[in-house]
Amino acid sequence: NAGVTQTPKFQVLKTGQSMTLQCAQDMNHEYMSWYRQDPGMGLRLIHYSVGAGITDQGEVPNGYNVSRSTTEDFPLRLLSAAPSQTSVYFCASSSPAIGASATEAFFGQGTRLTVV
Amino acid sequence: AQSVAQPEDQVNVAEGNPLTVKCTYSVSGNPYLFWYVQYPNRGLQFLLKYITGDNLVKGSYGFEAEFNKSQTSFHLKKPSALVSDSALYFCALSRGRRALTFGSGTRLQVQP
Repeated sequence: NAGVTQTPKFQVLKTGQSMTLQCAQDMNHEYMSWYRQDPGMGLRLIHYSVGAGITDQGEVPNGYNVSRSTTEDFPLRLLSAAPSQTSVYFCASSSPAIGASATEAFFGQGTRLTVV
Repeated sequence: AQSVAQPEDQVNVAEGNPLTVKCTYSVSGNPYLFWYVQYPNRGLQFLLKYITGDNLVKGSYGFEAEFNKSQTSFHLKKPSALVSDSALYFCALSRGRRALTFGSGTRLQVQP
């Protein structure tokens, strides 16, 4: 098992560009989520999904889109990058959904994004 | 609204000494509480969780945490710190919403 795989590991974007951060898991987990990590602020939830075809917003969804067409993949799209989106992005998966049975989440290794 | 507070940005401890990393939470109802560790340039790794039952929870790498409902705390502890324990530690809460709410993190520095 590879666990949770994120690509790319590093990315530099110009303001206004768009891009997609990829996340894939091979554990057949129903629940997947995206967080951003900023110094002194912990991890903040961007979007999450409790299964294929179902997504919902987290704390900081503005400027980001997601879709969940398969159980394995949960891409995060930046529509028009801004310097405020410079951050480290983490994808996580778990099963069953956190809060229902409180299983631990598995995290990818992160994508470090810089917007100039 | 639920929240998690980690009041110390950094904790310094000498190798071999006991360590405590503090966490307090705020939530209505019974919480599910977690501790995660992050090593440099890595993702988060699960250490332990409290769901219900014994207030003292044992986890990976010799870590344990004590749940205190009256003080709404979930402090992480280890009897004897190792230099290799140096990392960033996050307390997290899950209740109601289908997501984790994280504290701001505490950097643990263990000196040889």
